[in-house]
Amino acid sequence: AQTVTQSQPEMSVQEAETVTLSCTYDTSESDYYLFWYKQPPSRQMILVIRQEAYKQQNATENRFSVNFQKAAKSFSLKISDSQLGDAAMYFCAYRSLYSGNTPLVFGKGTRLSVIA
Amino acid sequence: NAGVTQTPKFQVLKTGQSMTLQCAQDMNHNSMYWYRQDPGMGLRLIYYSASEGTTDKGEVPNGYNVSRLNKREFSLRLESAAPSQTSVYFCASSVSGTGNEKLFFGSGTQLSVL
Repeated sequence: AQTVTQSQPEMSVQEAETVTLSCTYDTSESDYYLFWYKQPPSRQMILVIRQEAYKQQNATENRFSVNFQKAAKSFSLKISDSQLGDAAMYFCAYRSLYSGNTPLVFGKGTRLSVIA
Repeated sequence: NAGVTQTPKFQVLKTGQSMTLQCAQDMNHNSMYWYRQDPGMGLRLIYYSASEGTTDKGEVPNGYNVSRLNKREFSLRLESAAPSQTSVYFCASSVSGTGNEKLFFGSGTQLSVL
């Protein structure tokens, strides 16, 4: 079974600075999908960014970008120009390509604080 | 534009009581899921339904049952609640459960079992 590890339970960043959240995963598959979800204090889950493993180019969404290192099985999230609204729990998630309907497997999350 | 609607938002039970968490989506999605979120544990899958008429166990199914009533609705039942089931429960849905498609989540149910 695939596992997702987020080794940083908590992180903090100064407003306007850049922060990187780490995620590693364990899989024997060659093709899969990776996601970052954000959960602000409202508890709503929001998709931040996604990456297909067969694409070498790193995904970007405005201030959010990923560093996808397939060989290292690493999928880190970089937040540039951090804003107070970025304070939230961030979850990394994995989905298999091969198993038909396959639910997401989530990491344990990283709580990000943004300091004004 | 309701999306995924969960009821109730909060619930307190006594050990041994039963209850059903309701979930409905209005996006014509095929796949629906129940996750629980505990501090330091992330989101763990309880059950999912790939399509109407099918259900499958996830990582932590013990103590729960589910019913995919129709394409819109997917309920989660606790037959005899235990303190270990104190958690925040999320229902989610997606178009087909494959690929890089986005999951749409409900706003969660905070359940406390005393």
